[in-house]
Amino acid sequence: AQKITQTQPGMFVQEKEAVTLDCTYDTSDPSYGLFWYKQPSSGEMIFLIYQGSYDQQNATEGRYSLNFQKARKSANLVISASQLGDSAMYFCAMREDNYGGSQGNLIFGKGTKLSVKP
Amino acid sequence: GAVVSQHPSRVICKSGTSVKIECRSLDFQATTMFWYRQFPKQSLMLMATSNEGSKATYEQGVEKDKFLINHASLTLSTLTVTSAHPEDSSFYICSASLLLDFSSDTQYFGPGTRLTVL
Repeated sequence: AQKITQTQPGMFVQEKEAVTLDCTYDTSDPSYGLFWYKQPSSGEMIFLIYQGSYDQQNATEGRYSLNFQKARKSANLVISASQLGDSAMYFCAMREDNYGGSQGNLIFGKGTKLSVKP
Repeated sequence: GAVVSQHPSRVICKSGTSVKIECRSLDFQATTMFWYRQFPKQSLMLMATSNEGSKATYEQGVEKDKFLINHASLTLSTLTVTSAHPEDSSFYICSASLLLDFSSDTQYFGPGTRLTVL
């Protein structure tokens, strides 16, 4: 079974509108971290936001927020006020803390390609 | 802060030759570095986890004799693709773990190296 599922291969959004990128995860580990990364066409992976499994509040970083619904095992990324520069691949990733936290591997979803229309 | 560099960004080599890729954390010390491989339009697949001063841990299916990893210092890890073949052509990307606190342990990625084996 896939550990990270991103069901939207591609998404379109109008500039200045908000968009939600879906991510669901599967783990039996009580301690884990969820990450979102952006990969523009240049290839680099840019860290956007982090949510810990024990965090009480949803993470926010500027225009990015993570809608964390633990019972549903979902960690959707919300981008507000989309900009043309937001066009990129977006990857959701999970780190399970069964190694004790500092050396857990990241497991990536297949990604969602976001295109922002002017 | 948290900048990771990779060198070279792009390399073309002949089949049978070896290629070395360097990954450096520029403004922090990374006890753990990760090497990923990404095929076109696919997600990142972890190849190995590299710890400073010890042998790398390879994922299942990754040939450790073909992909040599050396984590010589807290800021440098190298991946050497030995006797490269056309099927090794891919985008190789490293990340370094920045232990901001015990829980987040965010991975920051280098810009990647595009390897083409003729």
